[in-house]
Amino acid sequence: AQTVTQSQPEMSVQEAETVTLSCTYDTSESDYYLFWYKQPPSRQMILVIRQEAYKQQNATENRFSVNFQKAAKSFSLKISDSQLGDAAMYFCAFGGSQGNLIFGKGTKLSVKP
Amino acid sequence: KAGVTQTPRYLIKTRGQQVTLSCSPISGHRSVSWYQQTPGQGLQFLFEYFSETQRNKGNFPGRFSGRQFSNSRSEMNVSTLELGDSALYLCASSLALLAAQETQYFGPGTRLLVL
Repeated sequence: AQTVTQSQPEMSVQEAETVTLSCTYDTSESDYYLFWYKQPPSRQMILVIRQEAYKQQNATENRFSVNFQKAAKSFSLKISDSQLGDAAMYFCAFGGSQGNLIFGKGTKLSVKP
Repeated sequence: KAGVTQTPRYLIKTRGQQVTLSCSPISGHRSVSWYQQTPGQGLQFLFEYFSETQRNKGNFPGRFSGRQFSNSRSEMNVSTLELGDSALYLCASSLALLAAQETQYFGPGTRLLVL
């Protein structure tokens, strides 16, 4: 069975600095999708970034980028120029042939002004 | 486009009762997935519906059920409520089947408290 592990329950970053959130996963599949979702205190979960495993190029979305290491089964999220609005729970998720998303436990990110 | 909506937003029930939660997906989205979120277990997949058919089911007891209507709106039902059912129930919609590959758009959730 696939599993997703986020080893950092909480992280803190200074405004305008860079922070990296870690995620590792376990699967025997070769084709799959990886996601980072953000859940602000208001609770509505939104997609941050999506990566297709067959693409070697790391996905980027403005200040958000990933470091996808397929062999190591690692999918970390880098947030550059952190802003107060980035404070949220961040969930790493795996999507494979089973058809549903498998989420990690989440990392709570605090941004200090 | 309007986002995913869920009703009610908050609900208080007592043990043994049953509850029905509703989800309206984004217009044009045909897949609806349900998740249970608790502090201890995190986000767990309940089921996915596409074109009025349950396509995938998570590891939850039969007390948890759902359905999808022809307009893609979905409901989930929990019968014989237990204290452990207290959670935030999230609904997510996506364009196609195999929501695990598509971007999912989440609703604000229904907070259920079982006393």
